[in-house]
Amino acid sequence: GQNIDQPTEMTATEGAIVQINCTYQTSGFNGLFWYQQHAGEAPTFLSYNVLDGLEEKGRFSSFLSRSKGYSYLLLKELQMKDSASYLCAYGGSQGNLIFGKGTKLSVKP
Amino acid sequence: DAGVIQSPRHEVTEMGQEVTLRCKPISGHDYLFWYRQTMMRGLELLIYFNNNVPIDDSGMPEDRFSAKMPNASFSTLKIQPSEPRDSAVYFCASSPSGDGNQPQHFGDGTRLSIL
Repeated sequence: GQNIDQPTEMTATEGAIVQINCTYQTSGFNGLFWYQQHAGEAPTFLSYNVLDGLEEKGRFSSFLSRSKGYSYLLLKELQMKDSASYLCAYGGSQGNLIFGKGTKLSVKP
Repeated sequence: DAGVIQSPRHEVTEMGQEVTLRCKPISGHDYLFWYRQTMMRGLELLIYFNNNVPIDDSGMPEDRFSAKMPNASFSTLKIQPSEPRDSAVYFCASSPSGDGNQPQHFGDGTRLSIL
């Protein structure tokens, strides 16, 4: 089966840190992706993890634990422009991606 | 560099009409994906192609939907006849390979409204 779950909505304060969790269950796994999607726009690639551990890229970091079927996206020093939906997706065995429904993050002043 | 190009950006039509959505992938990308996004169901994969050949069309909702990729630089998604429940944003995406470790690059989408 193909299951991937993430919270529907989150709210955080400008300048703070927020962690968006994602859990998945699959028999075929080829890495975990995070995308950002602003309202009315296309998803854009943020990060990719294939091995366990933390990948840091500026204010954004992504973590993966394959044994637990778990990933999170960490956003530091939140800015108003970070208000968007964040989609996690895992890579299937045939080049496809299976997306979660996305977490809508609202950053408040 | 040009990204994935979709047309039209917006389409409003009456139910029963034929709708054709178009996509030009990034040059050199072997994989092309069609997605549909709604509030209720999120981003759903409809069909994807590798080197112009359809690999998996299990996400196509029903026979009213069809997709073609006649060459490496062009794909169409057709709905005939269209119904109000087909209203959604349709995205096309492409990626360099099918290793599963390559990010997909999305077009700006077509916002489809069926009245």
